[in-house]
Amino acid sequence: NAGVTQTPKFQVLKTGQSMTLQCAQDMNHNSMYWYRQDPGMGLRLIYYSASEGTTDKGEVPNGYNVSRLNKREFSLRLESAAPSQTSVYFCASSGRDVFLQYFGPGTRLTVT
Amino acid sequence: AQSVAQPEDQVNVAEGNPLTVKCTYSVSGNPYLFWYVQYPNRGLQFLLKYITGDNLVKGSYGFEAEFNKSQTSFHLKKPSALVSDSALYFCAVRDDNYGQNFVFGPGTRLSVLP
Repeated sequence: NAGVTQTPKFQVLKTGQSMTLQCAQDMNHNSMYWYRQDPGMGLRLIYYSASEGTTDKGEVPNGYNVSRLNKREFSLRLESAAPSQTSVYFCASSGRDVFLQYFGPGTRLTVT
Repeated sequence: AQSVAQPEDQVNVAEGNPLTVKCTYSVSGNPYLFWYVQYPNRGLQFLLKYITGDNLVKGSYGFEAEFNKSQTSFHLKKPSALVSDSALYFCAVRDDNYGQNFVFGPGTRLSVLP
């Protein structure tokens, strides 16, 4: 099992550009999450999806959209990137034990 | 609202000595508490959780944590530190009034010196 995979690993964008971060899990988990990690602030939840077909806002949803494409995949879209969105983005999933999250390796995004 | 504080940015300990990484939390409902570890350039890995029951919970790699409701704390401990324990540690909470919204603390960097 690959667990949780994320693409790309690194990305540099110019202000105003758009992009989609991809996340997939092969553990048949119902719940999936997107976080951003900034120095000194820990992880902050952007959006989550408790099950296929549902999405909910987390702590910092502004400037982002998500799509739960199917049970395996949960994508995060930046429509018009801003320097404040420079961060490391982590995707996570959880299954029957909703308290146990499995994290992907992260995407390091720089917006100039 | 729920929140998590980790009062120490950095903890240094000598190999073989006991270690403690502190965490306090604030929730409106019942707390579910977690510790995760992050090694350089990696995602977070689950260490342990408190949901209900015994206040002392044991987790991976010899770590344990004690839930203290009166002090709203959930400190991470290990009796004998290893150099390989050096990493970034995150405490997290989920309030049962807030669905699946997990809140993470800012992290504490643990350095175990040989």
